[in-house]
Amino acid sequence: KNEVEQSPQNLTAQEGEFITINCSYSVGISALHWLQQHPGGGIVSLFMLSSGKKKHGRLIATINIQEKHSSLHITASHPRDSAVYICAVRSAQGGSEKLVFGKGTKLTVNP
Amino acid sequence: DAGVIQSPRHEVTEMGQEVTLRCKPISGHDYLFWYRQTMMQGLELLVYFNNKAVMDDSGMPKDRFSAKMPNASFSTLKIQPSEPRDSAVYFCASKRLYTGELFFGEGSRLTVL
Repeated sequence: KNEVEQSPQNLTAQEGEFITINCSYSVGISALHWLQQHPGGGIVSLFMLSSGKKKHGRLIATINIQEKHSSLHITASHPRDSAVYICAVRSAQGGSEKLVFGKGTKLTVNP
Repeated sequence: DAGVIQSPRHEVTEMGQEVTLRCKPISGHDYLFWYRQTMMQGLELLVYFNNKAVMDDSGMPKDRFSAKMPNASFSTLKIQPSEPRDSAVYFCASKRLYTGELFFGEGSRLTVL
């Protein structure tokens, strides 16, 4: 079993829909990252969370440390949101900066 | 700032050849990371540096891979000899000590024939 599991693997939505991508992990963590990778391949960091909720524009990320679960929400989705969204966790042990990545969720938003 | 700069963007080589990938992190960043991305495995950490010192290279095949950071503004990842299974996109990323945000380069796509 992977340390970081994302669901769904693939998601297709219509423009304007509310999107939720889920991430579950099995280890104690010091931080969780959400990354975005566009079809061109570049990777952008969206959020880093250790508790609670963060919001940036139409994107909202939440984390429940007790349940070892995080969600990424996109409100009023747009075709330009089409990308792969990747969850990554940093272990709480030993002060390491090593990230373990989920396999990603491929989002397609149709006009 | 120019961001994290990687070169080459694309490399096609034959099995057995030496490959050198290069990375210039963002100025002032303390950490530098080398990741590999494949369809099968996704993103994996190969090695990371803190202030030029290797902190964790447990993800790196030591028999053929080596990573160096001779100064704060330059790092190399070398593969010798290269094998077809090394075909992947290699990303370099950097971050400051007390902030969490990672900044990625555009990646180097390596194809080993």
